Amino acid sequence: QSALTQPRSVSGSPGQSVTISCTGTSSDVGAYKYVSWYQQHPGKAPKLMIYDVSKRPSGVPDSFSGSKSGNTASLLISGLQAEDEADYYCCSYAGSYTYVFGTGTKVTVL
Amino acid sequence: QVQLVQSGAEVKKPGSSVKVSCKASGGTFSSYAISWVRQAPGLGLEWMGGIIPIFGTANYAQKFQGRVTITADESTGTAYMELSSLRSEDTAVYYCAAGLGRWFDPWGQGTLVTVSS
Repeated sequence: QSALTQPRSVSGSPGQSVTISCTGTSSDVGAYKYVSWYQQHPGKAPKLMIYDVSKRPSGVPDSFSGSKSGNTASLLISGLQAEDEADYYCCSYAGSYTYVFGTGTKVTVL
Repeated sequence: QVQLVQSGAEVKKPGSSVKVSCKASGGTFSSYAISWVRQAPGLGLEWMGGIIPIFGTANYAQKFQGRVTITADESTGTAYMELSSLRSEDTAVYYCAAGLGRWFDPWGQGTLVTVSS
């Protein structure tokens, strides 16, 4: 099971929007509606931001949204803020109660 | 919502084993699936395996098959991850994470395992 592919880094100015892609295969991202996204600040545990492709947990700002097309999922961060600077990881269910994470993307707020 | 508290940092010799615990409180332990995720220094997240306590059967990532054992004790609300034949590349922070569905929330605070001779 290979890691899902994410861009190493993306950046944007405050108020701008950035999109992080997450490319898998027809055995994981393309097969299930179970993609989740996690935000991780340095030295901290990951935090769930999106689950089931596009659902937001309580307390997560609506500036975060998720989508999926074929084997690629995407996380959109609108109205970028300084506190959004972090590492982001996608994760997909891969069948038989197994999961695979993405390679991770560093978001920089310029 | 359930909260997860992990055991403390460990230093191990190459070839030995480590067992990390993850105790749940504030929720119904059996309702959650528990996964273990590790993160080597400066690297990304890696799913190792998981267990649904009410079923008792664990599933593992192919990479760790034969070297990792995940168990759960419903009576104490605690999950365990044991990794054997440790090598330096296993130096990482190990997280447990719970999920009511196919996602991970909440997470434990992480346990640093250092493998060094």
